[in-house]
Amino acid sequence: RKEVEQDPGPFNVPEGATVAFNCTYSNSASQSFFWYRQDCRKEPKLLMSVYSSGNEDGRFTAQLNRASQYISLLIRDSKLSDSATYLCVENTGAAGNKLTFGGGTRVLVKP
Amino acid sequence: DTAVSQTPKYLVTQMGNDKSIKCEQNLGHDTMYWYKQDSKKFLKIMFSYNNKELIINETVPNRFSPKSPDKAHLNLHINSLELGDSAVYFCASSQAGLLSSGANVLTFGAGSRLTVL
Repeated sequence: RKEVEQDPGPFNVPEGATVAFNCTYSNSASQSFFWYRQDCRKEPKLLMSVYSSGNEDGRFTAQLNRASQYISLLIRDSKLSDSATYLCVENTGAAGNKLTFGGGTRVLVKP
Repeated sequence: DTAVSQTPKYLVTQMGNDKSIKCEQNLGHDTMYWYKQDSKKFLKIMFSYNNKELIINETVPNRFSPKSPDKAHLNLHINSLELGDSAVYFCASSQAGLLSSGANVLTFGAGSRLTVL
């Protein structure tokens, strides 16, 4: 079983709609999580950090469910520019800040 | 003023050759990394260095040799290139500290796309 699993998508989303997707992780000791955004042929960029139960930043909301070991990302009022691959990242707290990346969820926002 | 810069951006070479990728960060971070992103888009850590000291070495063939002359630079040398080495290699850096202060967040370079023919 992969350490961090994501639905690869794509999630086809009408502009202005809400989309949500989950990421499951296997290490119950993981301390924190991140959502990164990666555009096609570009580097990943931090979208949001998740330390406790969740985080909200504008149209983006992340929820952490430790009991069921998943993190969700919800995007409200989707914009065309939200089209990207969203990478879920787990920090187990291992030495050297070893982060484990999921395979990403592709989101396509269409007019 | 690129925060994490890596060169070259593209590299096309023949099997068996030796090549290097260079990375520099001007963020004052203590930790630098090399990640590999293959054709299936999974990002996997290869190495991390903290203040020039190797911390993570993830079962990478010893044809790959990282070198960190100082904490702002982390280079990657690859010997005897193989077809399976074709990928995008990302350099990244981060600052240690409290998670709540934004520590351990990776800042990535733009990537170096290596194609081995």
